Amino acid sequence: EVQLVQSGAEVKKPGESLKISCKGSGYSFTSYWIGWVRQMPGKGLEWMGIIYPGDSDTRYSPSFQGQVTISADKSISTAYLQWSSLKASDTAMYYCVRLEASGYFDYWGQGTLVTVSS
Amino acid sequence: EIVLTQSPGTLSLSPGERATLSCRASQSVSSSYLAWYQQKPGQAPRLLIYGASSRATGIPDRFSGSGSGTDFTLTISRLEPEDFAVYYCQQYGSSPWAFGQGTKVEIK
Repeated sequence: EVQLVQSGAEVKKPGESLKISCKGSGYSFTSYWIGWVRQMPGKGLEWMGIIYPGDSDTRYSPSFQGQVTISADKSISTAYLQWSSLKASDTAMYYCVRLEASGYFDYWGQGTLVTVSS
Repeated sequence: EIVLTQSPGTLSLSPGERATLSCRASQSVSSSYLAWYQQKPGQAPRLLIYGASSRATGIPDRFSGSGSGTDFTLTISRLEPEDFAVYYCQQYGSSPWAFGQGTKVEIK
C-alpha cells in the first residue's frame, strides 16, 4: 500500500527556521516525483514544487522559488520542505504528494500544519 | 501560465440530485492533462479524475469527467451524503501546474 506519512504539526516564531518531512512507503521512492502543496487557512490549493528523489532534480513554482527549499534523502525514502526564515504568512497546511508519471497527484500525505506566530 | 477558473463557487443541492461543476482554462490544456480532486473538511484532498475523464482507483461511477481544450466538466450523477465537499480542478500539462479556486458542493 502506497503511503506518504508527514511529520507533525509545528508552532514557530517569525524568523525561525523549519524543515518538515514526508516519508514514502509501499512503492519505489526513487522512481516517482514528490511534490508539495500549500493550503492557507480557508483557502485553495497551491502547487509549490517537486523533486525527483532518484537524482534530486528539483523544480519550483515561480511563486515559491527562493522562498522554500525542497530536498530528499533517498536512503530513508523521505522528502523535505524547509524555510530559513519563517513569516506569519507561511501559516498553512502543507501536503506532500506523489506524482504519477504524467503529472497528476495520485497519493497525498495527511498534511502538516505550520503555525507561525509571535 | 495557465489560470483555471471554476464555477460556480458554491453549488447548493439535495442528495439524489445531479451536480455539474465547470473548470475553464485560460489556454488549452495539453493532452487533456486535467485532474479533479475532492476535499472534505479536515482531510487531505483525494484524486477523483485524471486525464479529464479517467476515474481513479476506487472512485464510484457516479463521478464522471469530460471536456478538452479549455472547457472541462465534473459531473456527479446522483449526490450521496458523502459527496458534499469542495472540488478542485488541476492542470498538469504545463508548468507551473495550477489548481482552480474550488467549488463547494453543499447540502440545500
